[in-house]
Amino acid sequence: DAGVIQSPRHEVTEMGQEVTLRCKPISGHNSLFWYRQTMMRGLELLIYFNNNVPIDDSGMPEDRFSAKMPNASFSTLKIQPSEPRDSAVYFCASSLAGLAGSEGGYFGPGTRLTVT
Amino acid sequence: GENVEQHPSTLSVQEGDSAVIKCTYSDSASNYFPWYKQELGKRPQLIIDIRSNVGEKKDQRIAVTLNKTAKHFSLHITETQPEDSAVYFCAASKNTNAGKSTFGDGTTLTVKP
Repeated sequence: DAGVIQSPRHEVTEMGQEVTLRCKPISGHNSLFWYRQTMMRGLELLIYFNNNVPIDDSGMPEDRFSAKMPNASFSTLKIQPSEPRDSAVYFCASSLAGLAGSEGGYFGPGTRLTVT
Repeated sequence: GENVEQHPSTLSVQEGDSAVIKCTYSDSASNYFPWYKQELGKRPQLIIDIRSNVGEKKDQRIAVTLNKTAKHFSLHITETQPEDSAVYFCAASKNTNAGKSTFGDGTTLTVKP
């Protein structure tokens, strides 16, 4: 298994531009999470999906952020328009959550976003 | 919602010594507690986990203990090595929440050779 795949690995963009981050979860996992990590705020959960349905998006900072999961093998996180304070590492993680209890989340390599 | 507190925020030990990181949680319904290790510039990686029906779990040099009554759990690393230096995160989740984990703020462990 290739693990969680994220693209791009690095993104540098100018303020005001649209940014789209992509994630392919581990096959068979039914929960997908988007996190943002910065030195100041640590690891923040932005949104998570279960069986492709958004469950909790209370961590999404503003309306500029949106996320979709059109099928079990793909999710996107979009920022439009981007701002310098959005600069961070964005991680996607997937896990198998079931009646037996949660399984640990497996993180992708992250996308390092820099907004200038 | 769940609140996870992690201590200490930084920990420095000599190679060969033991290291202990402690976490408390607030939601008594939480029943799954993973620990992650994040090396500089890399992704968090699951290193060990424990479920609420178990009090202790061990994997080579690392072990985790859970006290459900007191709502705290701990990570123990024995015979520390310089490659154990990293940020360690604890987390808590419950199976009714689709696997969502609430993370602690992390502990930066430095193992001095």
